[in-house]
Amino acid sequence: DGGITQSPKYLFRKEGQNVTLSCEQNLNHDAMYWYRQDPGQGLRLIYYSQIVNDFQKGDIAEGYSVSREKKESFPLTVTSAQKNPTAFYLCASSDRGPPSTDTQYFGPGTRLTVL
Amino acid sequence: ILNVEQSPQSLHVQEGDSTNFTCSFPSSNFYALHWYRWETAKSPEALFVMTLNGDEKKKGRISATLNTKEGYSYLYIKGSQPEDSATYLCASLTGGGNKLTFGTGTQLKVEL
Repeated sequence: DGGITQSPKYLFRKEGQNVTLSCEQNLNHDAMYWYRQDPGQGLRLIYYSQIVNDFQKGDIAEGYSVSREKKESFPLTVTSAQKNPTAFYLCASSDRGPPSTDTQYFGPGTRLTVL
Repeated sequence: ILNVEQSPQSLHVQEGDSTNFTCSFPSSNFYALHWYRWETAKSPEALFVMTLNGDEKKKGRISATLNTKEGYSYLYIKGSQPEDSATYLCASLTGGGNKLTFGTGTQLKVEL
């Protein structure tokens, strides 16, 4: 089955701790993305990567970090510098990176709650 | 319009009703408009990617139109079924831009 997996589905962390969210794809897509969803807001782009070992900041990159060491993996670290980390996080991938009209395929998401 | 806006925010219809909702987006420097369906507890699923003014796309009972000059797209569902219940998202890509800008979605509930 081709697709995108995110783990875990639910994550709880104490304030001040860094946490890493996993995202893996087996679609052989070049581009990968991380979005954040908050109540009443559209999906907002955190980071994206168009190719291995390269990534770009999105609209709300502060307090987050990413790596792209392998084509299929794009983990997101939520650091203690992120002021409001509690949110739903979605990972996506597309065949080519922007600007292109390629469809983005999404994972099932991780709900992070910081206590 | 600077952002992507969707209306209505939510909609309740009866099974068999036809319905439509709107996505408004910046018309300047337009590149593409995406529609996604997002069912509860599932991943968002792509419906359409539209690029040309006057474009019409259809997938089963769902269709969409695009007006890039005035910056809006309509999504139509004919004969709504309970399985159509989902949040419908649109996202705009402007030329030279490196990201999709998403609207907040229209939440559709189809009741028996």
